[in-house]
Amino acid sequence: GAVVSQHPSRVICKSGTSVKIECRSLDFQATTMFWYRQFPKQSLMLMATSNEGSKATYEQGVEKDKFLINHASLTLSTLTVTSAHPEDSSFYICSARIGGGNTIYFGEGSWLTVV
Amino acid sequence: GENVEQHPSTLSVQEGDSAVIKCTYSDSASNYFPWYKQELGKRPQLIIDIRSNVGEKKDQRIAVTLNKTAKHFSLHITETQPEDSAVYFCAASPLRRGGADGLTFGKGTHLIIQP
Repeated sequence: GAVVSQHPSRVICKSGTSVKIECRSLDFQATTMFWYRQFPKQSLMLMATSNEGSKATYEQGVEKDKFLINHASLTLSTLTVTSAHPEDSSFYICSARIGGGNTIYFGEGSWLTVV
Repeated sequence: GENVEQHPSTLSVQEGDSAVIKCTYSDSASNYFPWYKQELGKRPQLIIDIRSNVGEKKDQRIAVTLNKTAKHFSLHITETQPEDSAVYFCAASPLRRGGADGLTFGKGTHLIIQP
């Protein structure tokens, strides 16, 4: 089946620095990718929809200047957490849908710890 | 936007018994309802999904029912086994042309299978 790969799986960064997370579709082209955040013991919350070749669409309450999303190709979307703070520590997970198909495939997720 | 409610938050059943998890949604435009199983620290795994033109779908021990009029859908697991222990999430999404809609998740149900 389709595979979505995410990197890094774990990252620790210092408060005030930026960190980039990559999401790749390995065997299909993804015109749309989705970024979710999941705090411990909570549900997945949609942060933004990443559109290849255009600006991302952010959900209400998500700061677009803090969570920069770039979808430069049909197989790669990146999420950059800028000026990270401890409260940004979370599990970030991307997903992709093939064209207009039903199934959404998830990446492995990235654990971000800001110290 | 869409709001998905999920109950119960925790469900403990004896091995071999059945488990039922229920969800309701608010947006009548939603027409795709997947269920995911997530183990701690891992990506959600799709276990079954249903579209709004179908009232029930079954895959071995797992079944999902949908009542579009009442806007609720349920996951049924029969003959539960220890490996069924995990957190289960329901989700809802409209499936519009282009597939640019993300999923709205319920808060999750921690299913515990007692030996």
